Amino acid sequence: AQSVAQPEDQVKVAEGNPLTVKCTYSVSGNPYLFWYVQYPNRGLQFLLKYITGDNLVKGSYGFEAEFNKSQTSFHLKKPSALVSDSALYFCAVRGGAAGNKLTFGGGTRVLVKP
Amino acid sequence: ETGVTQTPRHLVMGMTNKKSLKCEQHLGHNAMYWYKQSAKKPLELMFVYNFKEQTENNSVPSRFSPECPNSSHLFLHLHTLQPEDSALYLCASSPQGFNEQFFGPGTRLTVL
Repeated sequence: AQSVAQPEDQVKVAEGNPLTVKCTYSVSGNPYLFWYVQYPNRGLQFLLKYITGDNLVKGSYGFEAEFNKSQTSFHLKKPSALVSDSALYFCAVRGGAAGNKLTFGGGTRVLVKP
Repeated sequence: ETGVTQTPRHLVMGMTNKKSLKCEQHLGHNAMYWYKQSAKKPLELMFVYNFKEQTENNSVPSRFSPECPNSSHLFLHLHTLQPEDSALYLCASSPQGFNEQFFGPGTRLTVL
């Protein structure tokens, strides 16, 4: 079975400071990892994915994530957070044997203070 | 918004009502999904359809009945729901392979 853990329910940062949202996963075989963001009253929007290749993945809105196989982690980062980054962030994983079934973490609410 | 639309956006229904949620994708994808998002639980996958065929039913109660008449449309028929079924229901679609899913805005369902 595959699973995702987002250990922090909420992350608070000041605008302009670095933002990190943590994610660890468990999956059989090679992991396919995704980050999504959800704004109020909206569906999920895709930010970035890791399939293979370079461990540092760059995505939308200045976000990036680093795949660490030994630590089974895929933390989301942004060097300088904006107030508009305040939202709910989800990490998701798909294992090779799971077909197109995504398993999501519980979500981390990010609050960026002016 | 992405190319996935959902109607209605909000729905209030009694426990004895029958209603349907509709999802439409304009992205040419072959896979479609229903998820349930409630306040206290992470996203729960309900159903998966590939090329109009149901390939996943995640132990969903029979009061939820999906229908996929073609690769662009997905329905979720609801009957005799319970108050605990109140949630945001999200539809998503994706191409085949290990690609990201594209989500609709969701239907906020309240069961009285």
